[in-house]
Amino acid sequence: AQSVTQLDSQVPVFEEAPVELRCNYSSSVSVYLFWYVQYPNQGLQLLLKYLSGSTLVESINGFEAEFNKSQTSFHLRKPSVHISDTAEYFCAVTKGGAQKLVFGQGTRLTINP
Amino acid sequence: GAVVSQHPSWVICKSGTSVKIECRSLDFQATTMFWYRQFPKQSLMLMATSNEGSKATYEQGVEKDKFLINHASLTLSTLTVTSAHPEDSSFYICSASEDSNQPQHFGDGTRLSIL
Repeated sequence: AQSVTQLDSQVPVFEEAPVELRCNYSSSVSVYLFWYVQYPNQGLQLLLKYLSGSTLVESINGFEAEFNKSQTSFHLRKPSVHISDTAEYFCAVTKGGAQKLVFGQGTRLTINP
Repeated sequence: GAVVSQHPSWVICKSGTSVKIECRSLDFQATTMFWYRQFPKQSLMLMATSNEGSKATYEQGVEKDKFLINHASLTLSTLTVTSAHPEDSSFYICSASEDSNQPQHFGDGTRLSIL
């Protein structure tokens, strides 16, 4: 069975500062890894994904995540955050796209001006 | 891109009422859809896997008779909360994937409030 741990429930940062949201997973099989973002009272939006290939994946809005198999991590980073990045971020793992997702507990990112 | 639509987005009803929530894949077919429940400030918990043309697979602890799932077509799955009570109040979210190698796309969720 897979499991996901997001070590930080809340991360407050100042605008334009860098940020890292941590995610560790455990699985006995190869997995696919995802970061989803949830804005208040909305569903989840896919931020980025690792399926195979390059271990560094990027999103269109400046986020990136690196798959580290030896450390079983998939940390999310952004070099300079914006107020609009304030949201809840979920790391998730699955054995395949049509397989059920296992979510981490979520990290609330708060950007202060 | 792949779009999943959920309806209604918000529903308030009296205790004892049954409530139906629809999840539609608008521009793709989905043999499998998923239903999640999210409590305030918590993560998503998978309730069940909805399979087109067959019975849903429920997670441990989820009452099948309480949460009825029907996946009658490749673009529609419904979740019916039967005889809803205040403890059923929650945010319900569905998701679907075009195929086994694609990530899941989520609906915008349904906020259910039982008075």
